[in-house]
Amino acid sequence: EAGVTQFPSHSVIEKGQTVTLRCDPISGHDNLYWYRRVMGKEIKFLLHFVKESKQDESGMPNNRFLAERTGGTYSTLKVQPAELEDSGVYFCASSLQGFSADTQYFGPGTRLTVL
Amino acid sequence: GDSVTQMEGPVTLSEEAFLTINCTYTATGYPSLFWYVQYPGEGLQLLLKATKADDKGSNKGFEATYRKETTSFHLEKGSVQVSDSAVYFCALSAGTGGYNKLIFGAGTRLAVHP
Repeated sequence: EAGVTQFPSHSVIEKGQTVTLRCDPISGHDNLYWYRRVMGKEIKFLLHFVKESKQDESGMPNNRFLAERTGGTYSTLKVQPAELEDSGVYFCASSLQGFSADTQYFGPGTRLTVL
Repeated sequence: GDSVTQMEGPVTLSEEAFLTINCTYTATGYPSLFWYVQYPGEGLQLLLKATKADDKGSNKGFEATYRKETTSFHLEKGSVQVSDSAVYFCALSAGTGGYNKLIFGAGTRLAVHP
C-alpha cells in the first residue's frame, strides 16, 4: 500500500511569488492534515480536512495560505504571495478516523525556501 | 492551551548506551501520546503510542509509559545502535468535537557513535 506522498520535495522561490504544494493521502483515508516546521522549531498544525471539508483551520497563519481538497482526495496548499518567514518544511499526514487514538501517517515533507 | 515539552538536544551517545529522552505535557482532558521519529532524509514515522494512563507503548526496543500523575511520556531504550540516530518528536493528540490534531514538542536530535 502506498504511503502519503508529497510534491515537490523541494521548492526554492523568490519573495512575492506563488507556490503550490501537493499531498496525496493514503487511499481510503478521509482525514488529511497539513503541518509545518519552521527553522528547526516544533512542528505546528495548520489545518485538518475531513473528506473535502475543512474541519479545523485554526493553525493557518494568515490569508496568504489557501488549502483545498477537491473531491476529498488529494490536497493542495498554496502560498500567495510567499514571504521569507514561510520557509520551512511542510508535512502532510492522513488518518483513517481522525480521533484521538488514531495514527496519523506522514509524508516525507516539502522543503520550501523563500529567498 | 495544550503543549508538549521535550528535552533539548542534541543527545550524543556511544553504541549500546542507555537512552532516555524526557517528554512532559500539559493537556485538558485525556490525550493520546505519541513518539514519532525522523531519520535523515526521510519523513516522520510513528515509533510508538499510548492511548490511556499507564499504557506502555513499545517498538524496535523503544518503550514509553503514559504517566498521568507526572504528565510524562519519556522515551527509553536499553541499548542504542548507530542506526537509531535520528530526530525524535513527542506529541499529543488534542482537539474538540471528536476530531484531533497533533501537538508536537520541538524534537530531540540523537547521535549514536560506534
